[in-house]
Amino acid sequence: EIVLTQTPATLSLSPGERATLSCRASQSVSSHLAWYQQKPGQAPRLLIYDASNRAAGIPVRFSGSGSGTDFTLTISSLEPEDFAVYYCQQGSNWPPLTFGGGTKVEIK
Amino acid sequence: EVELVESGGGLVKPGGSLRLSCAASGFIFSANTMIWVRQAPGKGLEWVSSIRGSNNYRYYADSVKGRFAISRDNTDNSLYLQMNSLRADDTGLYYCARYDDYVNIDYWGQGTLVTVSS
Repeated sequence: EIVLTQTPATLSLSPGERATLSCRASQSVSSHLAWYQQKPGQAPRLLIYDASNRAAGIPVRFSGSGSGTDFTLTISSLEPEDFAVYYCQQGSNWPPLTFGGGTKVEIK
Repeated sequence: EVELVESGGGLVKPGGSLRLSCAASGFIFSANTMIWVRQAPGKGLEWVSSIRGSNNYRYYADSVKGRFAISRDNTDNSLYLQMNSLRADDTGLYYCARYDDYVNIDYWGQGTLVTVSS
């Protein structure tokens, strides 16, 4: 099973600041990594697939990078609606599909 | 427009059973892999089960293997999860979702809540 470790667990930032979230895989997943955003009371929403491709309708301030075992989700300038929990997920070698434990981006 | 609507959740005693349903619309259901993902209260996301569209191959998380059964009916665009021998740690919000090998989980339902408690 591929384990995904997300750091930090919580990120405290102000609107307008840059957010950098990390996801590390226990073994290579090539580029088969996705990022999701989840707000309270809502289902997750796909942000990034195949490590760096923005899903339909996702603003350009969201970007993904990385390959192999180390991945990054960057939000270039935080908007008020971006404060949420973010999860990474690998689809390289499944079952099982696995998710990271999440990073909460909170208002400082 | 793609829509996934779950139903069937509720309160059940340990050892009991529930059957979740997911009504899909807005896409070619039979061609897609469908999955169930759950989220315990205040916790992260956990993949539960998947069923391929092309060949009906089924996959399960170790935590539910032998207790849960996923199925689909391509004639009425429905996905199911039969849950038996339920335990307290099965409590959570169960999401139905569409999975693509390239894009990953591109559409999610709003979830149905399962509570296992005596």
